[in-house]
Amino acid sequence: AQSVSQHNHHVILSEAASLELGCNYSYGGTVNLFWYVQYPGQHLQLLLKYFSGDPLVKGIKGFEAEFIKSKFSFNLRKPSVQWSDTAEYFCAVTRGNAGNNRKLIWGLGTSLAVNP
Amino acid sequence: EAGVAQSPRYKIIEKRQSVAFWCNPISGHATLYWYQQILGQGPKLLIQFQNNGVVDDSQLPKDRFSAERLKGVDSTLKIQPAKLEDSAVYLCASSLGQTYNEQFFGPGTRLTVL
Repeated sequence: AQSVSQHNHHVILSEAASLELGCNYSYGGTVNLFWYVQYPGQHLQLLLKYFSGDPLVKGIKGFEAEFIKSKFSFNLRKPSVQWSDTAEYFCAVTRGNAGNNRKLIWGLGTSLAVNP
Repeated sequence: EAGVAQSPRYKIIEKRQSVAFWCNPISGHATLYWYQQILGQGPKLLIQFQNNGVVDDSQLPKDRFSAERLKGVDSTLKIQPAKLEDSAVYLCASSLGQTYNEQFFGPGTRLTVL
């Protein structure tokens, strides 16, 4: 069965540190890839997505992610984190050619705490 | 544009009681999703509607969970009877269509079963 693995469950950084959160998926075909973020007390919201084209995707708030097909990975990065980036981050994958039912498969999430 | 609305925001019940959650998706969104998110885990899809038809309910525990979207707009999710392991946040999301469009999430309902 298709699965999504997020390697880091809890990450603690100081402001201005660089961030990289790992995400690997198990499906071998065409995939669509997403990172969602949930700030404390707020809704889940889309951070960025990859469907096709340039494997380096830029999202909101200075985040970016790189799709490396050979490694089945879609790692999230930010060169310099801020206290306001404290949140839960979820990687999610859907099969690109699954017809009408493109169910999102979610990772367990990574809790990021940024110390001021 | 108004977001996805859910109510109630919090609910505490005893096991074997019944509970219902309500969701109003973003206007014009044909696809509606109910997720269960247990603490420390990612969201798990319970059921997906396309208008008022069910697209996927493969992970819905049908012996106790039911959901409907009668007029293709708002939706209710019911648990009857509740078990301790149903304690979770229930998220509703909507998107324009099934072929992937961004899903927009509501604030969720936090259910505690005692």
